[in-house]
Amino acid sequence: GESVGLHLPTLSVQEGDNSIINCAYSNSASDYFIWYKQESGKGPQFIIDIRSNMDKRQGQRVTVLLNKTVKHLSLQIAATQPGDSAVYFCAENSDTGNQFYFGTGTSLTVIP
Amino acid sequence: DSGVTQTPKHLITATGQRVTLRCSPRSGDLSVYWYQQSLDQGLQFLIQYYNGEERAKGNILERFSAQQFPDLHSELNLSSLELGDSALYFCASSARPAPSTDTQYFGPGTRLTVL
Repeated sequence: GESVGLHLPTLSVQEGDNSIINCAYSNSASDYFIWYKQESGKGPQFIIDIRSNMDKRQGQRVTVLLNKTVKHLSLQIAATQPGDSAVYFCAENSDTGNQFYFGTGTSLTVIP
Repeated sequence: DSGVTQTPKHLITATGQRVTLRCSPRSGDLSVYWYQQSLDQGLQFLIQYYNGEERAKGNILERFSAQQFPDLHSELNLSSLELGDSALYFCASSARPAPSTDTQYFGPGTRLTVL
C-alpha cells in the first residue's frame, strides 16, 4: 500500500532561522499533498497544500516544494518562531484515492 | 478552531469495556472521517462516512464500528477494548467525500486510555 514517510523525526532550529521539513511518498499516482501542523494536545491543523501540476506554492511564511521525479515534498518555514514548535505531517491523496495517507510526523522545536 | 467538535476529550476505561466517541462535523460538511493516532505512529485512517453512508474503510478492526446520523454527527464505537487500543482518536470533516481532494479539518481528538 501507499506509504508516506518523513526523513527526520526531530528538528531543532534557532528562533529566526528557516526550517525545512522533508517528506517522501511512494505512490506516484498521488496528485495532492497537504502539510498539517499538530500542536501538543490539539488536532492536526491545515497549513498549506499543493497539487501535482505545481512544484512550488507559497503561503504566509511557509513554502511547499514538490519534486515528483524523486517523490519528495518539503515544507519551508521562514523566520521560525516559538509558536511554530509542533509536529508537522505530510499527507497525500489522489483524485481516485479514498483516503489520505499521513506520515509519522517531524517534531520541530524552536530554540529561543 | 476548526469547527469540528469531539467529545469526550479524555476517556479512561478498562480492558474488555466498550466506549463511544462522538464527533460533530463543521457546519456544511457532509463527510466525516475517523483516525487513530498511537504513540510514534502517524494518523491511521479508520473509516469514512458521507451523508449517513459508509464510503470507505481503512485499518479498522472488527471490534470497532461507526455510524453517521441524520444530523451528520458521527459516533465511533470501540468494543472489547485492549491495552493496545489506547490512542488519540481524531475525527475530521470535509465538504465532499473521498475520492476528492477536499481539505479535511480535524477536531481536537479524544484521548482513550485503556487500563
